[in-house]
Amino acid sequence: DIQMTQSPSSLSASIGDRVTVICRASENINNRLNWYQQKPGKAPKLLIYAASTLQSGVPSRFSGGGSGTDFTLSIRTLQPEDFATYYCQQSSSIPLTFGGGTKVEIK
Amino acid sequence: QVQLQESGPGLVKPSQTLSLTCSVSGGPINSRTYYWSWVRQPAGKGLEWIGRIFASGTTNYSPSLTGRATISVDTSRNQFSLNLTSVTAADTAVYYCARVVQRYTTAWHYALDIWGPGTMVRVSS
Repeated sequence: DIQMTQSPSSLSASIGDRVTVICRASENINNRLNWYQQKPGKAPKLLIYAASTLQSGVPSRFSGGGSGTDFTLSIRTLQPEDFATYYCQQSSSIPLTFGGGTKVEIK
Repeated sequence: QVQLQESGPGLVKPSQTLSLTCSVSGGPINSRTYYWSWVRQPAGKGLEWIGRIFASGTTNYSPSLTGRATISVDTSRNQFSLNLTSVTAADTAVYYCARVVQRYTTAWHYALDIWGPGTMVRVSS
């Protein structure tokens, strides 16, 4: 199985900050990497697929980058509704695997 | 607007079989553009992919479930289902069904783009 490792596991930030989450794959997954946002008690929501393509309806302050084994999710100008947990997920091979999550909290 | 909704018992006894159904509304389940997955999440923990099924009935499962999971599809009812046998307390989780979409950029990519709200299943005697 491909292991996905996210860092940090949590971070505190203020409204208006720029935030970056890192995701590392245990082997080369090219750009087969998706990002999800999950709020408490809710299902995950797809933000980005193919490492950098924004899902329809997702605000442009979200961006993704990377290829191979190292990926980033950035949120430019953090908004109140962005406080949530973010997960990366590889779609390169079965079984699909998720990172452990990064909780973005209010400072 | 496609929507997914999980249903099934919220409490299952140890060693018994967990059975859940995902009802798909707003679009056909037998589209070649999509396939269908189950994902679970224990309380306070991360997401675990369980398996997937194509409308043709082809399936793949996570090896971590050691052959206990079976996913099936009923195209006449626009539903797909999960059976998980020999459950233990470790199977207690919120179970989500999700649609997996194929998207082409420079290659084909797959992402879980629509999710059900989730259903909590507790394994306890």
